[in-house]
Amino acid sequence: AQSVTQLGSHVSVSEGALVLLRCNYSSSVPPYLFWYVQYPNQGLQLLLKYTSAATLVKGINGFEAEFKKSETSFHLTKPSAHMSDAAEYFCAVSRQGGKLIFGQGTELSVKP
Amino acid sequence: SQTIHQWPATLVQPVGSPLSLECTVEGTSNPNLYWYRQAAGRGLQLLFYSVGIGQISSEVPQNLSASRPQDRQFILSSKKLLLSDSGFYLCAWRRGASGRAGYNEQFFGPGTRLTVL
Repeated sequence: AQSVTQLGSHVSVSEGALVLLRCNYSSSVPPYLFWYVQYPNQGLQLLLKYTSAATLVKGINGFEAEFKKSETSFHLTKPSAHMSDAAEYFCAVSRQGGKLIFGQGTELSVKP
Repeated sequence: SQTIHQWPATLVQPVGSPLSLECTVEGTSNPNLYWYRQAAGRGLQLLFYSVGIGQISSEVPQNLSASRPQDRQFILSSKKLLLSDSGFYLCAWRRGASGRAGYNEQFFGPGTRLTVL
């Protein structure tokens, strides 16, 4: 069975600092992995997805994630945080039938 | 391009009252459709999904039901709301099954904030 664990329910960084949001997955089959962002009172927006084409995946808004099979990880990074990056971020793994299993989310705060 | 709509955007209902939330998708055909609930401070819980008209699968036994009367319409209902039904309800769609069922991402609607008093 697939599962996702996001380490840290809250992460705070200063503007311009590196953003690192952690995601570990469990899957008995090669996974499809996704990162979504949610701004307050809005739906989820896809940041990027891993579909086995390349281990380093670039997404929107300057985010990227690296798939590491040996570590069962798919951490999300951004070199320089911007105030507009403050939001909640969800990692998800696809399971049978295309359904998604989401992590509990990480709330990112960006300090000026 | 494809768009997904949900309404209403916000809803305040008394305990015991009925519920109907609607989701429609434009610009695609035969999508897979999903209803999620997001309780305060928690992740997303998949409630129902549908691969076609009249085909509904329930993930969690509960006070809610879903229907898909048309290809691009998905409705979430309840006959009698409970306090625990409060939350943020999200509808999502995905391109229909392909050779790699999990390959395609889900696209989410703007959500409905439900408060049951």
